[in-house]
Amino acid sequence: RKEVEQDPGPFNVPEGATVAFNCTYSNSASQSFFWYRQDCRKEPKLLMSVYSSGNEDGRFTAQLNRASQYISLLIRDSKLSDSATYLCVVNTDKLIFGTGTRLQVFP
Amino acid sequence: EAGVAQSPRYKIIEKRQSVAFWCNPISGHATLYWYQQILGQGPKLLIQFQNNGVVDDSQLPKDRFSAERLKGVDSTLKIQPAKLEDSAVYLCASSRDSFYEQYFGPGTRLTVT
Repeated sequence: RKEVEQDPGPFNVPEGATVAFNCTYSNSASQSFFWYRQDCRKEPKLLMSVYSSGNEDGRFTAQLNRASQYISLLIRDSKLSDSATYLCVVNTDKLIFGTGTRLQVFP
Repeated sequence: EAGVAQSPRYKIIEKRQSVAFWCNPISGHATLYWYQQILGQGPKLLIQFQNNGVVDDSQLPKDRFSAERLKGVDSTLKIQPAKLEDSAVYLCASSRDSFYEQYFGPGTRLTVT
């Protein structure tokens, strides 16, 4: 089993749609969690940290379920500019990146 | 605040040649990371430095890869000799300390022919 697993997609959604990504991790001792965004041929950039209580930043909501060992990212009211790859990142004693989920928002 | 700087941005070499990449982290960041990202995959950690000491190099192919962070600031990653499968983007990242969010440089795209 991979340490961090994501559905690679692509998710093709129209503008204004709500889309959700899930990510599962195998190490129950994982301590912190992040979502990064990576545009084509660019470096990853931190989108948001994921806290146990869940957190929201504008149209983006991240949640953590430690019992089931998964984290999720919800994007509401999708914009064309949201098109990118979303990387789930889990920190145990080092950062482990998932392979990413590709999102394509179309007009 | 200046971001993480990397050079060169692109490099094309033949197999069995050597190559070196340079990284200058964000000022004051104690932790520096080198990642390898192969097309279609997430970044894979090669080595992590805390100041000028190595914290984790468990996934660094030490027979051909080496890295150093003299004086605890900038860092160099070297591949000698390169193989075709080393073609990837090499990303440098830094953070204030371990477990804090990381900031990535633009990467060096290496093509080995």
